[in-house]
Amino acid sequence: AQSVAQPEDQVNVAEGNPLTVKCTYSVSGNPYLFWYVQYPNRGLQFLLKYITGDNLVKGSYGFEAEFNKSQTSFHLKKPSALVSDSALYFCAVRDIRNSGYSTLTFGKGTMLLVSP
Amino acid sequence: DVKVTQSSRYLVKRTGEKVFLECVQDMDHENMFWYRQDPGLGLRLIYFSYDVKMKEKGDIPEGYSVSREKKERFSLILESASTNQTSMYLCASSSRTSGLDEQYFGPGTRLTVT
Repeated sequence: AQSVAQPEDQVNVAEGNPLTVKCTYSVSGNPYLFWYVQYPNRGLQFLLKYITGDNLVKGSYGFEAEFNKSQTSFHLKKPSALVSDSALYFCAVRDIRNSGYSTLTFGKGTMLLVSP
Repeated sequence: DVKVTQSSRYLVKRTGEKVFLECVQDMDHENMFWYRQDPGLGLRLIYFSYDVKMKEKGDIPEGYSVSREKKERFSLILESASTNQTSMYLCASSSRTSGLDEQYFGPGTRLTVT
């Protein structure tokens, strides 16, 4: 089965500084990778995805992610953090079930706290 | 915009009760999913459905069942609620025909079983 790991439970960054939220993956075949964000008391919102092509993927709210095949990583980045970016971030990978249908397998989440 | 709605934001039930969580999507998506979200465990897939009346077990199906009688509606059923089913439940949908696998989530139902 495919899996992702988010090694940090929490990331703290000051407003205006660059931020990175880490994700590594373990897949057989080519990975389809996703980032989602969850604001307090809300459902998950899609940020961006990597399927193929350019290793730098741009998404919503100024976020981007870098796919690195040799390091099996898909880290989420933003050049300048905002207090409003404080939220729970999930990395996910597409998984193909025995039935042939695809689902997403999520990491455990990383809480991002941006201080003023 | 894709909209996924869940019948309740907060729900309190007693141990042993039968509980129904309802999810409706308005984008004609073929796939629908139920997850539970627990601190430190992330999202875990309970069941999913790829067509009306079709369902498949996810990673933690024990104690749950589902029903999909109409394309837009996917119900999660706790046959006999237990305290260890206290959790946040998230519903999602996606388009199979698009092949993009991007899932759209509802706001969640926070279920407390006492």
